[in-house]
Amino acid sequence: GAGVSQTPSNKVTEKGKYVELRCDPISGHTALYWYRQSLGQGPEFLIYFQGTGAADDSGLPNDRFFAVRPEGSVSTLKIQRTERGDSAVYLCASSLRLVSYNEQFFGPGTRLTVL
Amino acid sequence: AQTVTQSQPEMSVQEAETVTLSCTYDTSENNYYLFWYKQPPSRQMILVIRQEAYKQQNATENRFSVNFQKAAKSFSLKISDSQLGDTAMYFCAYLGRSGGSNYKLTFGKGTLLTVNP
Repeated sequence: GAGVSQTPSNKVTEKGKYVELRCDPISGHTALYWYRQSLGQGPEFLIYFQGTGAADDSGLPNDRFFAVRPEGSVSTLKIQRTERGDSAVYLCASSLRLVSYNEQFFGPGTRLTVL
Repeated sequence: AQTVTQSQPEMSVQEAETVTLSCTYDTSENNYYLFWYKQPPSRQMILVIRQEAYKQQNATENRFSVNFQKAAKSFSLKISDSQLGDTAMYFCAYLGRSGGSNYKLTFGKGTLLTVNP
């Protein structure tokens, strides 16, 4: 079956612009996670969803970042007034349920470059 | 907060040889999970192996095995019979509750492994 997909694969924007990054999880997976991976670093947790609700958004760096999952499937990470420091690879993952033993399956990520 | 430390930014190994990647972590929890993920240049993070903290037996998956030392908070990955396709970034990751009610995945900075022909 299809894995986690993310679009676009690359996004270049200018400082101050608004961007949306999309994640399509594996069909049937109720848990969805967003991570940010800066150059030379491991992924850092941003937010995760169980169904439509954000179970934990404590990793979002500030109020310019927001994520939604209105129908419990596709999720969109939204970044307002982008800054150069937002440049990173944004990874999405999904798992069957929000429990510890369920493996997280990762997408290929979206590389965001803010000029 | 939990921390995961990978002290080897880069390593190299000859094809068919064995290599060990190091990982240490800091936690006050007793129940948690540990993982090794592989990230090739395609950026797709792939699970290599997992270990439940309550299990004393070290996990193995074909050519990949771990040495889990709970008291020392150490979780190293051994790759036997290295293959060119093993060339990738390897991340050690910890899954625990961090004092809250939800499990979170915390990654180390990674080790870039190069397998030479």
